[in-house]
Amino acid sequence: KNEVEQSPQNLTAQEGEFITINCSYSVGISALHWLQQHPGGGIVSLFMLSSGKKKHGRLIATINIQEKHSSLHITASHPRDSAVYICAVRPSNSGYALNFGKGTSLLVTP
Amino acid sequence: KAGVTQTPRYLIKTRGQQVTLSCSPISGHRSVSWYQQTPGQGLQFLFEYFSETQRNKGNFPGRFSGRQFSNSRSEMNVSTLELGDSALYLCASSLLPGQGRTQYFGPGTRLLVL
Repeated sequence: KNEVEQSPQNLTAQEGEFITINCSYSVGISALHWLQQHPGGGIVSLFMLSSGKKKHGRLIATINIQEKHSSLHITASHPRDSAVYICAVRPSNSGYALNFGKGTSLLVTP
Repeated sequence: KAGVTQTPRYLIKTRGQQVTLSCSPISGHRSVSWYQQTPGQGLQFLFEYFSETQRNKGNFPGRFSGRQFSNSRSEMNVSTLELGDSALYLCASSLLPGQGRTQYFGPGTRLLVL
């Protein structure tokens, strides 16, 4: 069983919709990352969280350490948000190694 | 400031051959990590280097190796290639290793093993 589970696997939304992607993990962590991967492979680090909530533009990421759960929200979605969103955690005992979720493939249609 | 660069971007090899991939981190970044991405397994951590020393290694066979040079550039090598090694290989750099560091990813090297 993967230590990091994401849901949903695939998501289609209409432009303007509010989107939520969830990430659950099973180990103690020192940090959680949300990454965005566009077709072609390039990965961009969106957020790094160890507690609470972070906001950048239309993106909001939250984490609940006690429940071992994080969410990524996209407000007023746009077709350019179409990408794969990947949750990754750094287990507390792993040094710098990251464990990754399988990703959520998001398609936003006009 | 230039981003993380990886060379080559695409590579085709045959089973049994070996391959060397290169990663140049963002100027000033001293930590480089390598990842493998396949459709079946997703992203998996390979190894992390800092100051020419390997700090962490993922669960990969000894055919996968790497090194880091004094200018922080890093190479990874895969010997005796297998079909299952076909993947996107990504490197990421950060200022320093350790917890709480944001990583910046390169565009990746797409390796196809025939």
